[in-house]
Amino acid sequence: DAKTTQPTSMDCAEGRAANLPCNHSTISGNEYVYWYRQIHSQGPQYIIHGLKNNETNEMASLIITEDRKSSTLILPHATLRDTAVYYCIVTHTDKLIFGTGTRLQVFP
Amino acid sequence: GAGVSQTPSNKVTEKGKYVELRCDPISGHTALYWYRQSLGQGPEFLIYFQGTGAADDSGLPNDRFFAVRPEGSVSTLKIQRTERGDSAVYLCASSPGSTLDEDTQYFGPGTRLTVL
Repeated sequence: DAKTTQPTSMDCAEGRAANLPCNHSTISGNEYVYWYRQIHSQGPQYIIHGLKNNETNEMASLIITEDRKSSTLILPHATLRDTAVYYCIVTHTDKLIFGTGTRLQVFP
Repeated sequence: GAGVSQTPSNKVTEKGKYVELRCDPISGHTALYWYRQSLGQGPEFLIYFQGTGAADDSGLPNDRFFAVRPEGSVSTLKIQRTERGDSAVYLCASSPGSTLDEDTQYFGPGTRLTVL
């Protein structure tokens, strides 16, 4: 079973920030938090990952709580092309265990 | 550089037939993973190679499924006596195979297998 819990679906207006939450209360000390997304009919696309510090790259920001039991993926200015299923995964150099993810719908 | 590629992109076969699905990982990546994704579900792990050897094949559903990576680069997933329930998208991912704590996997576009 997946070690994470995510809302089934979320909506976001184009141009606004999309904040996707993830709970991972059983995360181990050496496990990373990874985010992938999957646009319809494509393979999963890597977004970002982190251990305990907040991370930012050209796609998104990842905010991890101090106790590491939850995190939030932030897409700062959502576009229609960000409509996808977003997966939060905790892992340590191992196979990825996907849950059902959050279906993000960005609307005009 | 080139990403992970998978061939064919689509494969239609008849129940009972044998199929082979190919994965070309990112150049230099020593780790290679196979996943299977059924409609409406997240990908499910099948098997993981580190170099030429299968480091973890715990996700293979039964002995009809087999995968090889003879030279530590290209991998082939083989399915014998296909069943309609094998219909799914088969995804391949590769990673640098770092011995450090982080090792990001990058996915190919998948092969859609349909068993009639």
